[in-house]
Amino acid sequence: SQQGEEDPQALSIQEGENATMNCSYKTSINNLQWYRQNSGRGLVHLILIRSNEREKHSGRLRVTLDTSKKSSSLLITASRAADTASYFCATDALGNQGGKLIFGQGTELSVKP
Amino acid sequence: DAGVTQSPTHLIKTRGQHVTLRCSPISGHKSVSWYQQVLGQGPQFIFQYYEKEERGRGNFPDRFSARQFPNYSSELNVNALLLGDSALYLCASSFVTRSYEQYFGPGTRLTVT
Repeated sequence: SQQGEEDPQALSIQEGENATMNCSYKTSINNLQWYRQNSGRGLVHLILIRSNEREKHSGRLRVTLDTSKKSSSLLITASRAADTASYFCATDALGNQGGKLIFGQGTELSVKP
Repeated sequence: DAGVTQSPTHLIKTRGQHVTLRCSPISGHKSVSWYQQVLGQGPQFIFQYYEKEERGRGNFPDRFSARQFPNYSSELNVNALLLGDSALYLCASSFVTRSYEQYFGPGTRLTVT
């Protein structure tokens, strides 16, 4: 079963606008990761935030984590048409000894030129 | 360096048949994980192998099995195919079992008719 719920399921914005996607999860975690997927192909790792971190930046990406609310958000600033893709959060659950990730259902982002 | 490769790209099988999917990890990576992604959902963890040993198993029936070879490539086998097995099967590799960044292949699209 899926660990996370993502909100919204779909988001359509204009180029240059900011896009915010939210993820909620159910169990305690070691870390939370965000991945991007183009057109149902392979996933690309974007950013990882550890459970003891509250905010992290990478280029135009900003991720926040609120472990008390078991939620995270991904902000993409100054979006581009090339950012059109599906975005997934994935959690590494506390106590996980391997590399198992539990993915949310994803947010489909459409950036219009 | 080549990324994670998977074969075949697409596959059409009939209910009750058997299928074998293949994955070659990034050179130097010793861990391979398999995920199933049904259309419109996030990937679900099936197996992880590290150094040719199973290190994790998701909630999938015994019809699903996998193995890892001495060169760290891996096969996912599914017996007695059901219509519900139609999905994108993703392989991810990482250097060690607890690597926090996993590199995904492009996937194998399996259609069961």
